[in-house]
Amino acid sequence: EPEVTQTPSHQVTQMGQEVILRCVPISNHLYFYWYRQILGQKVEFLVSFYNNEISEKSEIFDDQFSVERPDGSNFTLKIRSTKLEDSAMYFCASSPLSGNQPQHFGDGTRLSIL
Amino acid sequence: RKEVEQDPGPFNVPEGATVAFNCTYSNSASQSFFWYRQDCRKEPKLLMSVYSSGNEDGRFTAQLNRASQYISLLIRDSKLSDSATYLCVVKGSSNTGKLIFGQGTTLQVKP
Repeated sequence: EPEVTQTPSHQVTQMGQEVILRCVPISNHLYFYWYRQILGQKVEFLVSFYNNEISEKSEIFDDQFSVERPDGSNFTLKIRSTKLEDSAMYFCASSPLSGNQPQHFGDGTRLSIL
Repeated sequence: RKEVEQDPGPFNVPEGATVAFNCTYSNSASQSFFWYRQDCRKEPKLLMSVYSSGNEDGRFTAQLNRASQYISLLIRDSKLSDSATYLCVVKGSSNTGKLIFGQGTTLQVKP
């Protein structure tokens, strides 16, 4: 069964440094998403991406965050200047359509900011 | 009021028990509803979509009451492997596909 893959599985970064999280969505999917989950808290929506542009973003997704689909397969989340509170699990998801289709999640990147 | 609200539990039940989880959502314009399962420090995995007429998948039954903005999940004959956190998930009214998650209900099935 096709799956969403994310790299790295764990990223440790010094505060203030830039970090790029990578995702390869399922190949025939058109909608891509990033979510995050701070330890012990609920999963929170960050951003949705369709047709090479952001379709919706949350309040969390401020100017420090950006997303890109640099080629036909990768979907990246960049955090420009990381803060301690950015420490979380970051999940990438994709779906074929945005309607009633469920989203399929990658196994996440654990980001630890020191 | 929280957008999606669940009883966090934990629910501790013996093997073979029937257990029910409830969830309420605040936005009456919400379009789609799902139950996801999350094991400790793992990604959410789709358990089942929830349809207005109610739907069943093996030991799992989901119900939706749009008038009450209420969703339920029933697990029959629970197994040790059902131990996990169950996430009530609602797709918002926008067409961007944004998912709104509840905080999850933790189930522990004991031998």
